[in-house]
Amino acid sequence: DAGVTQSPTHLIKTRGQHVTLRCSPISGHKSVSWYQQVLGQGPQFIFQYYEKEERGRGNFPDRFSARQFPNYSSELNVNALLLGDSALYLCASSLAHLVARINEQFFGPGTRLTVL
Amino acid sequence: SQKIEQNSEALNIQEGKTATLTCNYTNYSPAYLQWYRQDPGRGPVFLLLIRENEKEKRKERLKVTFDTTLKQSLFHITASQPADSATYLCALEDSSYKLIFGSGTRLLVRP
Repeated sequence: DAGVTQSPTHLIKTRGQHVTLRCSPISGHKSVSWYQQVLGQGPQFIFQYYEKEERGRGNFPDRFSARQFPNYSSELNVNALLLGDSALYLCASSLAHLVARINEQFFGPGTRLTVL
Repeated sequence: SQKIEQNSEALNIQEGKTATLTCNYTNYSPAYLQWYRQDPGRGPVFLLLIRENEKEKRKERLKVTFDTTLKQSLFHITASQPADSATYLCALEDSSYKLIFGSGTRLLVRP
């Protein structure tokens, strides 16, 4: 079975541009979470979606937005890119559902975003 | 303020020894705690989950303890191997659906 897939693997943008990152969860997983990881730090929670609805949001500015599609894939959008947005963006899927606590997260390989 | 702390210094041990990594947290009351392994340039991989009512959890050469009084989890790898070299992350849920990670501890196992 395929794991979590993310595209693109690498991306270079300039300040002020916007970017869209994509994620396909493991088949059967209805929950998708997004994380930002800068070098030397642990992943930082951005969003979680379940059944196309936002269930949680981390401390990120409104420039960050996301959505989940009927097939449970997800997009993360970042507008007006800043140098500080350079990071590895990780997507994770899980079996978590509305009444359960978070289960183990299955992570994708990430998208390495560089903002120049 | 809420914090999850892992030793930022790398842990360097000899093959065959037991590695012990620490995760401390403040101002959280997690129902459970998770441990992940991350290799350079790759996403984290889930290893173990321990619930607040469990003192200890084992999986092959891995052992995790969870002390809610000390607000601490210990992660042990027995009979360590060079292939165990990686960064190990602990994570807990702060409120509904938000998984919060520590900064990780890098483990280096010398042959």
